Amino acid sequence: GESVGLHLPTLSVQEGDNSIINCAYSNSASDYFIWYKQESGKGPQFIIDIRSNMDKRQGQRVTVLLNKTVKHLSLQIAATQPGDSAVYFCAENLPGTYKYIFGTGTRLKVLA
Amino acid sequence: DADVTQTPRNRITKTGKRIMLECSQTKGHDRMYWYRQDPGLGLRLIYYSFDVKDINKGEISDGYSVSRQAQAKFSLSLESAIPNQTALYFCATSGTNYGYTFGSGTRLTVV
Repeated sequence: GESVGLHLPTLSVQEGDNSIINCAYSNSASDYFIWYKQESGKGPQFIIDIRSNMDKRQGQRVTVLLNKTVKHLSLQIAATQPGDSAVYFCAENLPGTYKYIFGTGTRLKVLA
Repeated sequence: DADVTQTPRNRITKTGKRIMLECSQTKGHDRMYWYRQDPGLGLRLIYYSFDVKDINKGEISDGYSVSRQAQAKFSLSLESAIPNQTALYFCATSGTNYGYTFGSGTRLTVV
């Protein structure tokens, strides 16, 4: 299996249900955030992003919510499918830099 | 072909050996990065480069070195590998829109 996932929190959801994955970010000055999906044996893939001047952004089946007051991000996946099984993590970017702080991730398991 | 290609995909090496991980990209991006990923930890930045003549240390550069041979190539070296460098290593690139494109990773085991 993927050793990176050994110590991660796990969210198990039934196929077809909605999933909500949460992330607490670290720096109140961060102004850009990304959610990544990492499948076993693969590199992280961009899912959706949001800037700090927004509190919600929607993509195809995914929505990101940003609460700057409590430095919290969430990723909502509608009608979760088996192909959504992966590790999901958030990344925050500080203004004026091209570097990111990455969260540790949550493993999503989709139950048939 | 993948946008960001890493070689090798898997490598087992002995303590004290020198090893090089290679990364090439077809995105045309100037910015390239090396990260390592460990169980229970987020990705941590080792080195980054904003162009061929620019090399910068990240948060965990000790024990590593890099070479930016061309815009498309950025290699990571472990001069004398040690067991706590066992990890997943990712190369990434970024353009002007901030988001990263990651390679598929190199799983390195130091025994």
